[in-house]
Amino acid sequence: EVQLVESGGGLVQPGASLKLSCVASGFTFSDYWMSWVRQTPGKTMEWIGDIKYDGSYTNYAPSLKNRFTISRDNAKSTLYLQMSNVRSEDTATYYCTRRVMGMDFDYWGQGVMVTVSS
Amino acid sequence: DVVLTQTPVSLSVTLGDQASISCRSSQSLEYSDGYTYLEWYLQKPGQSPQLLIYEVSNRFSGVPDRFIGSGSGTDFTLKISRVEPEDLGVYYCFQATHDPPTFGAGTKLELK
Repeated sequence: EVQLVESGGGLVQPGASLKLSCVASGFTFSDYWMSWVRQTPGKTMEWIGDIKYDGSYTNYAPSLKNRFTISRDNAKSTLYLQMSNVRSEDTATYYCTRRVMGMDFDYWGQGVMVTVSS
Repeated sequence: DVVLTQTPVSLSVTLGDQASISCRSSQSLEYSDGYTYLEWYLQKPGQSPQLLIYEVSNRFSGVPDRFIGSGSGTDFTLKISRVEPEDLGVYYCFQATHDPPTFGAGTKLELK
């Protein structure tokens, strides 16, 4: 059974940094592209970015690429999202997803909440 | 960025009714390889989104055949025949043809 379990969320002050993690199981992690998607409190969905199966390529939403970094550790079957200089508009639930060509997000984690507030 | 406009914003149905949701794109979603990367996701209350339909009309594994996706170019439709209680929630269309990929704003399916 495919499982994606995010962690690392919480309350963070504006301007701070935060790193989210997603541990994958039930499939060969190193065979798949992975993505992060977020959902605002108003339920708007936004794609954040992707990382290739070997970590050699990343692609980001233009509005986020200067502050967010996606990485992975295939030995640990773990995906990461490093968020820097966070803003109130980064308050959202962050989902880790598996990305498959043609199907895109076929499996999702349960999500982790990030609240940016002073 | 490609804008996906979903209508209606909310839809009230009686169990057993048919429901229809529209997703209109600001640009054609046919990619140069001939495929159209338009998907539908359902987010049930309190849950993560789940993939229903990919490439306009292909049902994901385990998705009942009462979910029917159709359309081409810029106009797409998701039809749910005979709505059941487990179909309630928010439906999102999503396009991956153009970078960056984008979601529609969602359509909430609820009971009348």
